[in-house]
Amino acid sequence: QIVVTQEPSLTVSPGGTLTLTCASSSGAVTRGYYPTWFQQKPGQTPRALIYSTNDKQSWTPARFSGSLLGGKAALTLSGVQPEDEADYYCLLYYGGARVFGTGTKVTVL
Amino acid sequence: QVQLQESGPGLVKPSETLSLTCTVSGDSISNHHWSWVRQSPGKGLEWIGYTGSTNSNPSLKSRLSMSVDTSNNHFSLKLTSVTAADTAVYYCVRDRPDRIPAPLFDYWGQGILVTVSS
Repeated sequence: QIVVTQEPSLTVSPGGTLTLTCASSSGAVTRGYYPTWFQQKPGQTPRALIYSTNDKQSWTPARFSGSLLGGKAALTLSGVQPEDEADYYCLLYYGGARVFGTGTKVTVL
Repeated sequence: QVQLQESGPGLVKPSETLSLTCTVSGDSISNHHWSWVRQSPGKGLEWIGYTGSTNSNPSLKSRLSMSVDTSNNHFSLKLTSVTAADTAVYYCVRDRPDRIPAPLFDYWGQGILVTVSS
């Protein structure tokens, strides 16, 4: 069973920069895993931010960016805003199957 | 504007079958593939399966069936032999366009809470 691991929690100050990562138990994450990133605020439906490693949805704020970093997928938040406090999930593609990451709780304070 | 709406019973008895339907508006269901995702209370997201292939979550595969009704622009999920562990909010999601492999997950239904209890 594949496990996709994210940092359980991260804290950042307003205006700061934060990088979240997404690792696969099967090995290094590459573009072929089509990393996808989501934001979920309490009581809300998840919202897609990034797809195919670094492509943004039309509604994704410019301060969010995706990349590959050290064998993992990464989501970077630059100039963090208080409204960025949320849970963030990655999703990886395994030849048809999809697996969500464990999620990262981001606190802004 | 693409909209997805889940429907089905909010309460299912243990050992019975959970059946949900997702009705799509603002897009033809034939243009995309569609996924189901669930989230147990206080937990993370779990991919269930999608209409694009026979691939599904290995932990659910033996109990899962999915279908697409293009004439009514909806797709459905059936999960058999449910237990309390299947209690979750179930979301239907627009997964990817046909002929493009990358998942987008760009449009989500509002979710429906299904509780498994006697």
